[in-house]
Amino acid sequence: EDQVTQSPEALRLQEGESSSLNCSYTVSGLRGLFWYRQDPGKGPEFLFTLYSAGEEKEKERLKATLTKKESFLHITAPKPEDSATYLCAVQDYGQNFVFGPGTRLSVLP
Amino acid sequence: DTGVSQDPRHKITKRGQNVTFRCDPISEHNRLYWYRQTLGQGPEFLTYFQNEAQLEKSRLLSDRFSAERPKGSFSTLEIQRTEQGDSAMYLCASSQTSGRIRELFFGEGSRLTVL
Repeated sequence: EDQVTQSPEALRLQEGESSSLNCSYTVSGLRGLFWYRQDPGKGPEFLFTLYSAGEEKEKERLKATLTKKESFLHITAPKPEDSATYLCAVQDYGQNFVFGPGTRLSVLP
Repeated sequence: DTGVSQDPRHKITKRGQNVTFRCDPISEHNRLYWYRQTLGQGPEFLTYFQNEAQLEKSRLLSDRFSAERPKGSFSTLEIQRTEQGDSAMYLCASSQTSGRIRELFFGEGSRLTVL
């Protein structure tokens, strides 16, 4: 059975203080790994798709990387508007998407 | 087309009542998913459709839950005889199967409160 864990559960950063979020996964066959951002009371918003180990994607202050067992979401010089829950999900060849519990990020001004 | 839309956004009901949620996916997407999310947890898979065919249902899905996608466009999720444990955010997402892009695009969700 596919499993996704994320750490830390919650993270508080000062504005400008860079850090990384971790997503560890076990999957029978990885079709894709996905990162989402979710604001309170809203649906998840798509950020990145990673397909194979070694792949990297960047968007503004965010950079996602992938290995065979985990993915990292690096946040460089975060701003308060980056505060949200960040969700990781994997898709296997059965077409289902399995989500992790998320990391709640707070960026203080 | 601006994205996935869900209706209603909020629903408060009494235990034992039936509720129905509607989802309109992105028009060119042929795959539609329903997820449930409780506070502090990630989305939990319920079921998904490809066109009008329901291809997979979660083992955790009670028989009080039923979903349809009659013409391969919008979908409904009905919960019969609601229980307090059904209180959650119900998320709908759609995706396409052609090409390499297959990420899910979510609606804003329908929040259910069972009193």
